Amino acid sequence: EVQLLESGGGLVQPGGSLRLSCAASGFTFSSYAMTWVRQAPGKGLEWVSSISGGSGTIYYADSVKGRFTISRDNSKNTLYLQMNSLRAQDTAVYYCAKGSAYSGNYCFDYWGQGTLVTVSS
Amino acid sequence: EIVLTQSPGTLSLSPGERATLSCRASQSVSSSYLAWYQQKPGQPPRLLIYGASSRATGIPDRFSGSGSGTDFTLTISSLDPEDFAVYYCQQYGYSYRWTFGQGTRVEIK
Repeated sequence: EVQLLESGGGLVQPGGSLRLSCAASGFTFSSYAMTWVRQAPGKGLEWVSSISGGSGTIYYADSVKGRFTISRDNSKNTLYLQMNSLRAQDTAVYYCAKGSAYSGNYCFDYWGQGTLVTVSS
Repeated sequence: EIVLTQSPGTLSLSPGERATLSCRASQSVSSSYLAWYQQKPGQPPRLLIYGASSRATGIPDRFSGSGSGTDFTLTISSLDPEDFAVYYCQQYGYSYRWTFGQGTRVEIK
């Protein structure tokens, strides 16, 4: 059974930093792309960043480029999102999702339960 | 960036009725890289349909997807009480961007 467990969310001040983690199990982690998707309170889904199975290709939404860094450790079956220079608009539930392929065009076939990030003074 | 527009915003139906949800893209979606997700309150999204018309693992056959190019449809043939939720369409990977529609809420009439 595929399981994705996010952690690291919390309350942070504007301009601060936070590192999210996503522990994966139930599949060959290194064989699939992984993604972060966020959802602001009461709003829709917004793609944040994706990374291929071997970390060779990485993509970011314009809204986070230059501030967020996605990475993965295939030896630990863990996905990360380093978030710097956080803004109030970054407040959201952040979901980790498994890609349906190693790279290229893929949808998100399994999702974690999410971790809440609140940016506020 | 491909913009996806879903309609209607809210669909009010009774259990047993047929639901038809629309997703229109601002430009053609290549090779039907179009997916549909269901989200219930307090839960993560769940993949229903990929490749515009293929059901994901474990999805009941009352859910079906169709369409190509810029116009796509999700149909629920007979609404079960557990189907009342928000539905999102998504295009995947065009120009290394993934975008979602704004969602259609299916509520009990």
